Amino acid sequence: KQEVTQIPAALSVPEGENLVLNCSFTDSAIYNLQWFRQDPGKGLTSLLLIQSSQREQTSGRLNASLDKSSGRSTLYIAASQPGDSATYLCAVHSNSGYALNFGKGTSLLVTP
Amino acid sequence: GAVVSQHPSRVICKSGTSVKIECRSLDFQATTMFWYRQFPKKSLMLMATSNEGSKATYEQGVEKDKFLINHASLTLSTLTVTSAHPEDSSFYICSAPTGLEQYFGPGTRLTVT
Repeated sequence: KQEVTQIPAALSVPEGENLVLNCSFTDSAIYNLQWFRQDPGKGLTSLLLIQSSQREQTSGRLNASLDKSSGRSTLYIAASQPGDSATYLCAVHSNSGYALNFGKGTSLLVTP
Repeated sequence: GAVVSQHPSRVICKSGTSVKIECRSLDFQATTMFWYRQFPKKSLMLMATSNEGSKATYEQGVEKDKFLINHASLTLSTLTVTSAHPEDSSFYICSAPTGLEQYFGPGTRLTVT
């Protein structure tokens, strides 16, 4: 069974810092990997999706990388802002049409 | 991107009553939808896979008689929490796959008093 782990569980940084969130998964036979943002009491916002054949995806200040062979993905946030404060979830899609396996998330606080 | 809606967004009910949550794919058809549950400060746990025209597939430990799932059409799946108890209070989210991605509804906050 696919296990997804996210480190750290929580992170607090001052505004302007660059930061890295880590995600690891146990079964490298994945279909794709998605990073989501969740604000308190809200649903999920999809940030980036990396297909299994890709190495990275970028959107604005966000960059996600994927190393399938080692079972790792990172989400890089450049020049963090207080509005980036949220929980970031990594989810692995093991096969098309199957449900996602989620990590427990990293709770990020960016202080002004 | 594709849109998935959920209704209601919040519901408060008394113990012993049943609550129905709807999940709709608004601009695409979904033969499969997924229902997740999220406890406070925890990640999303898959409860069941809803299949249009056939029975839902439940994950281990999820009571199928308590969490009734009906996928009546290609755009609608419903989750009914029967005889709700306070421990059923949670955040319920549905998703539907299309193409490469899965699209998530905004979630339903259920509080059972």
